[in-house]
Amino acid sequence: ETGVTQTPRHLVMGMTNKKSLKCEQHLGHNAMYWYKQSAKKPLELMFVYSLEERVENNSVPSRFSPECPNSSHLFLHLHTLQPEDSALYLCASSQDPGYTNEQFFGPGTRLTVL
Amino acid sequence: GDSVTQMEGPVTLSEEAFLTINCTYTATGYPSLFWYVQYPGEGLQLLLKATKADDKGSNKGFEATYRKETTSFHLEKGSVQVSDSAVYFCALSDPPAGAQKLVFGQGTRLTINP
Repeated sequence: ETGVTQTPRHLVMGMTNKKSLKCEQHLGHNAMYWYKQSAKKPLELMFVYSLEERVENNSVPSRFSPECPNSSHLFLHLHTLQPEDSALYLCASSQDPGYTNEQFFGPGTRLTVL
Repeated sequence: GDSVTQMEGPVTLSEEAFLTINCTYTATGYPSLFWYVQYPGEGLQLLLKATKADDKGSNKGFEATYRKETTSFHLEKGSVQVSDSAVYFCALSDPPAGAQKLVFGQGTRLTINP
């Protein structure tokens, strides 16, 4: 238990569906992240929020839309996804500024796009 | 840009064998270095870290020493157990290049046979 929870743990959706992934951290951190983990590829940083403002967007397609309503919650809204978007989506949090930038990860949401 | 290179897996060892997973990095500044571990069905957990040259991070019998001269942070364990089977990720955080960015290697899958 790392103090970061993600729901749902598994999600299957069609290409025309709209769904949202939720992340919650109970660590008092002020920065949150979304990562994509695909088979045989390094972890890809998607979005970074610091103090509820987006500070990084790594050229992620617009069919992924993040939302950070407060420092404890982070959402990833999904719409018209493609089969190649199937992956494990990981949320993480950290304290920023933090010299070592140690991040705490949730268990992930396994997404399958049909 | 910053990058991390890990030895390719998968790595398969017998219980009580000696483990080394190589990790080298390139960075524009003076990074902090990390090893994360991902057990089956879970998110990433911080295993150990080092923030300056010659620091040795250690946890659960694993060790890694920050070698600036060889830009390396190799992970070692003297006697592995079946429970060590997981995917191991080397990562760096390079504050001058982006205080909130962790750059990961591609991961090394480790399987320990009884």
